[in-house]
Amino acid sequence: GESVGLHLPTLSVQEGDNSIINCAYSNSASDYFIWYKQESGKGPQFIIDIRSNMDKRQGQRVTVLLNKTVKHLSLQIAATQPGDSAVYFCAEKKTPANTGFQKLVFGTGTRLLVSP
Amino acid sequence: DARVTQTPRDKVTEMGQEVTMRCQPILGHNTVFWYRQTMMQGLELLAYFRNRAPLDDSGMPKDRFSAEMPDATLATLKIQPSEPRDSAVYFCASGLVLGGEQFFGPGTRLTVL
Repeated sequence: GESVGLHLPTLSVQEGDNSIINCAYSNSASDYFIWYKQESGKGPQFIIDIRSNMDKRQGQRVTVLLNKTVKHLSLQIAATQPGDSAVYFCAEKKTPANTGFQKLVFGTGTRLLVSP
Repeated sequence: DARVTQTPRDKVTEMGQEVTMRCQPILGHNTVFWYRQTMMQGLELLAYFRNRAPLDDSGMPKDRFSAEMPDATLATLKIQPSEPRDSAVYFCASGLVLGGEQFFGPGTRLTVL
């Protein structure tokens, strides 16, 4: 059958705008989440994390919001710059029943394009 | 500036050849992860280790892939024999604890012709 690549959601913004990237997670028991940024040709880089006992955490120009009721995570980037152009992944800590060992499970990612 | 290193950065090989990718985790990190990234599947976890012991390698094809940690400063991922469908970018990551922040290397871009 025909194969297709992953369709990455894309968010296009103008420089200076605020960006909001969303992520839905699957396990209501998950207690730790991370946002990663991956620039072209590089490995994913840690941006910010949040534990489930918090609703919001702020970093430099970035804020992560966690809504446990609807299992939703968002990354807000203030005053977006061209250097913010990348693919952004959310990751969720999970403990598979078959191994009992914790690991991070990554989402499919969102591409952020920032125009000057 | 501690970082994960990977070699080679790029590898082009022919189908059937053996490929070995190497990773040096950050000194002091006792968890090591191997991921594969493709346009088709995104970022897939292949295998991971804690204190050099393999914890889970269910993400990788057992018949051709093998992952080892000969010592605390070296992790290897081998493919034998390689196939065109193995073409991907392979990332190594290390961390202090399972389920915690992982630090990724720059990746090895593998092309199997």
